[in-house]
Amino acid sequence: ETGVTQTPRHLVMGMTNKKSLKCEQHLGHNAMYWYKQSAKKPLELMFVYNFKEQTENNSVPSRFSPECPNSSHLFLHLHTLQPEDSALYLCASSQDGGEGYNEQFFGPGTRLTVL
Amino acid sequence: GQNIDQPTEMTATEGAIVQINCTYQTSGFNGLFWYQQHAGEAPTFLSYNVLDGLEEKGRFSSFLSRSKGYSYLLLKELQMKDSASYLCAVRDSNYQLIWGAGTKLIIKP
Repeated sequence: ETGVTQTPRHLVMGMTNKKSLKCEQHLGHNAMYWYKQSAKKPLELMFVYNFKEQTENNSVPSRFSPECPNSSHLFLHLHTLQPEDSALYLCASSQDGGEGYNEQFFGPGTRLTVL
Repeated sequence: GQNIDQPTEMTATEGAIVQINCTYQTSGFNGLFWYQQHAGEAPTFLSYNVLDGLEEKGRFSSFLSRSKGYSYLLLKELQMKDSASYLCAVRDSNYQLIWGAGTKLIIKP
């Protein structure tokens, strides 16, 4: 048990659908992250929230919309996705997003397939 | 640009020793992490280096040379359960992790 949970674990959606991914951390951390993991590619950082404020948005298309209502919950809202968006979406948390040791703890991921 | 290089795949024998290398070119350096990721599972933390030298933790050790932009993960007394991908990540000047594509380690009996 890593202390970071994600739902759903698997999601299949059409290009016109709207869906949301949910992440919850039970570690008392203040920073949360969304990553995209495609086969044989490096983890791609999508969004960072530090103390509920978005601090990074790495040129992610607007069809991905993050939401962080509090320091324990993070959502990724999806709409009008493309087949190339099919990937494993990982959520992570750390004590904070700045200096210091800041090991990141990962959730199990959501395997997304866009038809 | 920022770049992390590590071998795509390695094969080793149960009970043996394997060294997984990682070279990096990043804008700034604030530590290097190694993570293990079993197929279909979340990455889990293995080690952290911020100063030059060797960090040992049980069967796993990690080495860092900042001047050479180089690290390695050393796994001793390999077990079948060590079959996984090993991810190298460097924290840059903005304290964000830049990740390598991972090294898939295959352990054979």
